[in-house]
Amino acid sequence: EAGVVQSPRYKIIEKKQPVAFWCNPISGHNTLYWYRQNLGQGPELLIRYENEEAVDDSQLPKDRFSAERLKGVDSTLKIQPAELGDSAVYLCASSGLAGDSYNEQFFGPGTRLTVL
Amino acid sequence: GQNIDQPTEMTATEGAIVQINCTYQTSGFNGLFWYQQHAGEAPTFLSYNVLDGLEEKGRFSSFLSRSKGYSYLLLKELQMKDSASYLCAVGNNDMRFGAGTRLTVKP
Repeated sequence: EAGVVQSPRYKIIEKKQPVAFWCNPISGHNTLYWYRQNLGQGPELLIRYENEEAVDDSQLPKDRFSAERLKGVDSTLKIQPAELGDSAVYLCASSGLAGDSYNEQFFGPGTRLTVL
Repeated sequence: GQNIDQPTEMTATEGAIVQINCTYQTSGFNGLFWYQQHAGEAPTFLSYNVLDGLEEKGRFSSFLSRSKGYSYLLLKELQMKDSASYLCAVGNNDMRFGAGTRLTVKP
């Protein structure tokens, strides 16, 4: 079974430029998460989707960050414009097969963003 | 809100036992997770506790005391490949992670 797929794996951009990350969750998982992980820190939730609905975006900086999950499968996370402080690893995770007693999250390999 | 505290770094010897502690304060509790993360890789699930007590899974065990807001991850028969960061996380769908404990296993 394929895991969570993310692309690109690495991205280097100059500040003020836009950037987008893509995630394909595990087939059948209805819950999708975007996290940001700074060096030496744990992942920080940015947004959580249940199918195509964003049910928790309280930590998403909405002035420059946006996300979408059209059709409730793939998702994209966008930053426009990027700032130096956005340099981090952006992780996508999915969970939620029917009948699970808890939602074990499966993480993708992440996109390492460097803003110069 | 949720505060999750765990030691920043630990060092142990191959073959030994190490215990990584995690304390948390949360307005609601839906379970406690431990994840392992090797450098440059994604976190991978290790364990889940929702009731008090010890959950054992091979060389790894996790303990939870909800009344004390406390958990620990116990790693036995340490191997070099266990060198990684260990992340404590509280919640379920709304999971919040601690900063992680970087464990170094030495020969």
